[in-house]
Amino acid sequence: QKEVEQDPGPLSVPEGAIVSLNCTYSNSAFQYFMWYRQYSRKGPELLMYTYSSGNKEDGRFTAQVDKSSKYISLFIRDSQPSDSATYLCAMSAYETSYDKVIFGPGTSLSVIP
Amino acid sequence: ETGVTQTPRHLVMGMTNKKSLKCEQHLGHNAMYWYKQSAKKPLELMFVYNFKEQTENNSVPSRFSPECPNSSHLFLHLHTLQPEDSALYLCASSQDKKRGTDTQYFGPGTRLTVL
Repeated sequence: QKEVEQDPGPLSVPEGAIVSLNCTYSNSAFQYFMWYRQYSRKGPELLMYTYSSGNKEDGRFTAQVDKSSKYISLFIRDSQPSDSATYLCAMSAYETSYDKVIFGPGTSLSVIP
Repeated sequence: ETGVTQTPRHLVMGMTNKKSLKCEQHLGHNAMYWYKQSAKKPLELMFVYNFKEQTENNSVPSRFSPECPNSSHLFLHLHTLQPEDSALYLCASSQDKKRGTDTQYFGPGTRLTVL
């Protein structure tokens, strides 16, 4: 079983829709969870960072962590064409050290005007 | 220029060639990273340099050789590569290898094709 699994998509939604992106993981030691957005021909950029279980909201984006189910989600409200990108989840058991972060393969999202 | 820059953006090379990828960060960071991103696969960390000292290499084949002459520049020297090494190579930097609330910034990547 892979440590982090993510549906690669592509996911296509109409503008204004609510988007749900998800990752599952197998390592119960993971405590730090991140979502990155990667536009075509660009490097990833950090979108959301959460610790342990619960929700975190930032504008139209909400990150949700359910450690009991080993499942994390990113919700995008009122999706815009500019949200079209690949979304990578990432997680770590350690607060420090980028060398211990495990990434998912990414989900490709297209928001159609 | 600001942020993290990478050159070249695209590279096509034969299996017997020797080439180098360059990364430069203009953020005053102390840690720099090389990642490999293959289609439909997770980002793979290849090398970490913190305060110019290499701290991780994650069992990367010796045909990839990193060099970090100072905290702003990072190179990845390539020789006798294989077609399966074709991928997007991403450079990143952060204030320090220890994350905390720190953020890691990525460059745009070099798209490498090995023939």
